[in-house]
Amino acid sequence: DTAVSQTPKYLVTQMGNDKSIKCEQNLGHDTMYWYKQDSKKFLKIMFSYNNKELIINETVPNRFSPKSPDKAHLNLHINSLELGDSAVYFCASSRPAGGRAGELFFGEGSRLTVL
Amino acid sequence: DAKTTQPTSMDCAEGRAANLPCNHSTISGNEYVYWYRQIHSQGPQYIIHGLKNNETNEMASLIITEDRKSSTLILPHATLRDTAVYYCTVERDSSYKLIFGSGTRLLVRP
Repeated sequence: DTAVSQTPKYLVTQMGNDKSIKCEQNLGHDTMYWYKQDSKKFLKIMFSYNNKELIINETVPNRFSPKSPDKAHLNLHINSLELGDSAVYFCASSRPAGGRAGELFFGEGSRLTVL
Repeated sequence: DAKTTQPTSMDCAEGRAANLPCNHSTISGNEYVYWYRQIHSQGPQYIIHGLKNNETNEMASLIITEDRKSSTLILPHATLRDTAVYYCTVERDSSYKLIFGSGTRLLVRP
């Protein structure tokens, strides 16, 4: 069983469209994350939810809206897609302990290409 | 948040130890050091973490200098499957944020 699964793995779309990426974890973790990896391979945190509550929002354009219907799911919706949104988006989860994130388990990534 | 600096690339022979350095000279007292690796376009994989003391697990050892301004990840017997980009990152207590740098591309040669 895949611990953190993302769908779709690949997404090709036109500028201006709206798209969503879904993430599910079966590890029983309380905290989930979205990271963006650009073409230069830098990994940047975008959002984090703890028990369905937003705890990190890293100056991401408000075209990006995360939604956590329950602890096991964190979806990412992107409105009005732009060329610069092309990247690989990674979902992750962890069980925080002692005020720290703990070990993050990452999904396999969703490669978004905006034409 | 502390920044990390790593060499862009390194290589080592299969079966030998791979020592990957990381500089985090601006680290503060409550920031942990984490190491992750990313094997060709897969999701990053946790390796090890530490605060002050050296740590060892089944994958690797982490040596943190006494002043905590740098650390070294040691893969004791590198295999071809260890070829990957290795990221050294830090997390401030209670922030839940891992700040990833550009990583070191390790190539293990047969």
